[in-house]
Amino acid sequence: GENVEQHPSTLSVQEGDSAVIKCTYSDSASNYFPWYKQELGKRPQLIIDIRSNVGEKKDQRIAVTLNKTAKHFSLHITETQPEDSAVYFCAAEASGTYKYIFGTGTRLKVLA
Amino acid sequence: SQTIHQWPATLVQPVGSPLSLECTVEGTSNPNLYWYRQAAGRGLQLLFYSVGIGQISSEVPQNLSASRPQDRQFILSSKKLLLSDSGFYLCAWKGSHTGELFFGEGSRLTVL
Repeated sequence: GENVEQHPSTLSVQEGDSAVIKCTYSDSASNYFPWYKQELGKRPQLIIDIRSNVGEKKDQRIAVTLNKTAKHFSLHITETQPEDSAVYFCAAEASGTYKYIFGTGTRLKVLA
Repeated sequence: SQTIHQWPATLVQPVGSPLSLECTVEGTSNPNLYWYRQAAGRGLQLLFYSVGIGQISSEVPQNLSASRPQDRQFILSSKKLLLSDSGFYLCAWKGSHTGELFFGEGSRLTVL
């Protein structure tokens, strides 16, 4: 079945710097890759997603890149702000199963 | 608009006691429904998912079960809780036209 690995588990950056979180997946047929942000004690919420027919997608300070050949995708946050501090999860939709397999999460701390 | 309700929000249960968590979705029909568990400081583990009434797929063999008695109702149950069942339980539904998972506010279970 699908397996998703996520790195790093924790990441600290200075305010204004960029942050990059990387994920790899095992099922080459997976075609949908969302990223979720979870603030402490709250539900995860979608921040950006990408489908396999696209290599990059941007939304203001957030971007996601996908390399289908290498089976990895990354989240890029530029000009980080303290409110970006949270746990970020990547996920992959296992093809034909309706299952969403999540990575283990990255705790991002933006230091003021 | 679509909404998802999950209850109870918190509960403390003794080992060996039963469990029932309920989730309902409003504003959509025939959604895919999911139960995830998040142990403290950990990732999102898929427990069950359902693509229709009475259709349940189990991802992790354990003492939990799920049922979908109505189109927009998803129930997570246990006959006898274990200490390891403690965690943050999240119900989610998938939109039919997008890949986004919408999570409920979660149920925090502590087994003593």
